[in-house]
Amino acid sequence: ELKVEQNPLFLSMQEGKNYTIYCNYSTTSDRLYWYRQDPGKSLESLFVLLSNGAVKQEGRLMASLDTKARLSTLHITAAVHDLSATYFCAGGYNNNDMRFGAGTRLTVKP
Amino acid sequence: DVKVTQSSRYLVKRTGEKVFLECVQDMDHENMFWYRQDPGLGLRLIYFSYDVKMKEKGDIPEGYSVSREKKERFSLILESASTNQTSMYLCASSPIWGGGGAFFGQGTRLTVV
Repeated sequence: ELKVEQNPLFLSMQEGKNYTIYCNYSTTSDRLYWYRQDPGKSLESLFVLLSNGAVKQEGRLMASLDTKARLSTLHITAAVHDLSATYFCAGGYNNNDMRFGAGTRLTVKP
Repeated sequence: DVKVTQSSRYLVKRTGEKVFLECVQDMDHENMFWYRQDPGLGLRLIYFSYDVKMKEKGDIPEGYSVSREKKERFSLILESASTNQTSMYLCASSPIWGGGGAFFGQGTRLTVV
């Protein structure tokens, strides 16, 4: 059974700084997802990573996947206030399940 | 605009009641999911379905059942609601192939009193 662990669970950053959120998973997963959730809202898909070494970037966010280490990272570059949200990673197998980590609540301060 | 629609945003039910949460998607997705979200625990998978009439247990299926009679609709049933089922329930759908993530509904905040 796939288990997904994220760290840190809480992250307070200054604007303009860089930081990384880590996502470890326990068994084989053939895809790794990153989602964003704003307070009071539902989840929005950010990235789907399908293979070892996959890297995807959107604006100040970059996600990568190392299947050998069972590790995905979400790197934040030069954080801005608009990035404040909760970020979730999730792993899936066989194209039809999706299990989530506990989430990282990110606060970007001026 | 693609959509996953949950039938209610807020529900208040009494202990012991049978509760139905409905979810409809308009994207012809094969996969549908039900999660509950609790502070500090992330999203926990209750059930998922990859085809009509097919269902798979997730990590916390106890006290829940599901129904998928049509491709676009996935229902979550609380057979006898209990106070520990007070939570935010999220429905999602995704295509079985391809690299896209899932689309989520707006959530149903269920309170069992």
